[in-house]
Amino acid sequence: DTGVSQNPRHKITKRGQNVTFRCDPISEHNRLYWYRQTLGQGPEFLTYFQNEAQLEKSRLLSDRFSAERPKGSFSTLEIQRTEQGDSAMYLCASSTTRVGNNYGYTFGSGTRLTVV
Amino acid sequence: GQNIDQPTEMTATEGAIVQINCTYQTSGFNGLFWYQQHAGEAPTFLSYNVLDGLEEKGRFSSFLSRSKGYSYLLLKELQMKDSASYLCFVSSNTGKLIFGQGTTLQVKP
Repeated sequence: DTGVSQNPRHKITKRGQNVTFRCDPISEHNRLYWYRQTLGQGPEFLTYFQNEAQLEKSRLLSDRFSAERPKGSFSTLEIQRTEQGDSAMYLCASSTTRVGNNYGYTFGSGTRLTVV
Repeated sequence: GQNIDQPTEMTATEGAIVQINCTYQTSGFNGLFWYQQHAGEAPTFLSYNVLDGLEEKGRFSSFLSRSKGYSYLLLKELQMKDSASYLCFVSSNTGKLIFGQGTTLQVKP
């Protein structure tokens, strides 16, 4: 297992277009998180899943943002009608709640979105 | 509300010791983490505290006081490669991670 994989690494899109990002977590991790990070700031919570269930989501995901994890493995994050303010790094992380494992979180390298 | 505070920027000299503080107010506590993030890279694990006290791992140590809602990360024998952002975050009872804004550390020769 090579860790958490995010694709694409970079995405440039025109304002108003839809974009979709993918995250492949560590295979034995049952929890998956999406965060957004702008330059010089800490990560901002978007949503997280336990297996295929979306346990919590921020208010951002009630509008143009949506996330899925259909089979409890990889996840996709879609942004519809992108705006310049959506330009940020989108981070994915995974972890496990299973007994006997450490409680560390493994982060992907992120997808950097630029909306022009 | 839920809040985590840490200084935005710090500067230190190569070979010195630096302490990065983090205070938190969260609804539920399931552990506090420190991660290091170099520009454009994924955050990587440094330390985890769930009980009060000091955890030491090589040049890095982390301290937690749950009653005070306070933690610090101590970096000894600073190296140029330690220039990075340091993220403090708490795992809440629901599993949600609550982040501070991160501390950008610049190590100077």
